[in-house]
Amino acid sequence: QQQVKQSPQSLIVQKGGISIINCAYENTAFDYFPWYQQFPGKGPALLIAIRPDVSEKKEGRFTISFNKSAKQFSLHIMDSQPGDSATYFCAASDDKIIFGKGTRLHILP
Amino acid sequence: EAEVAQSPRYKITEKSQAVAFWCDPISGHATLYWYRQILGQGPELLVQFQDESVVDDSQLPKDRFSAERLKGVDSTLKIQPAELGDSAMYLCASSFLQGKDEQYFGPGTRLTVT
Repeated sequence: QQQVKQSPQSLIVQKGGISIINCAYENTAFDYFPWYQQFPGKGPALLIAIRPDVSEKKEGRFTISFNKSAKQFSLHIMDSQPGDSATYFCAASDDKIIFGKGTRLHILP
Repeated sequence: EAEVAQSPRYKITEKSQAVAFWCDPISGHATLYWYRQILGQGPELLVQFQDESVVDDSQLPKDRFSAERLKGVDSTLKIQPAELGDSAMYLCASSFLQGKDEQYFGPGTRLTVT
């Protein structure tokens, strides 16, 4: 049973545009929602994370929006750059972290 | 900057052979994780250690996989015998605390079973 559903599987965005990746979860016990970024040949690295007591968290060009009642959260990348091209994973955790299947993002130069 | 070290980076083995992966977490990180990442999917937890103790191995195929962290520092993941379906990236991660703490991932070991 997949507990964290991520969409889209792949995304192409023009340089300077906004990239949006969505995730939905089922387990209401989850209380920590990180996003990881993975470049080819590398392990994932934490990008930004949110806890359910806030509805939005912003760090630079990256923003997480969180909707607790809908059990959904999303990552917005503003002013997307070619260097943002990578695979992004949402995740949810109570004591154990569950990853989504990932979104392959490609930013066109 | 401290990093999680893994070796080897790549491993090709024939089915039915034994294979082992090594991980050295960031110094001071008590929690160590082994994940399997199949191409095109997210990492799936195989085993989690707190110091030298296993705290979660519910997804570890124990008939062929074993993991140890004898001194609570570095760790070894073993597969014996390897099967074709074991071809994947094996990632090690560590964190200072359990649960909702940032996990730092190593570069992974790409395993190909022929």
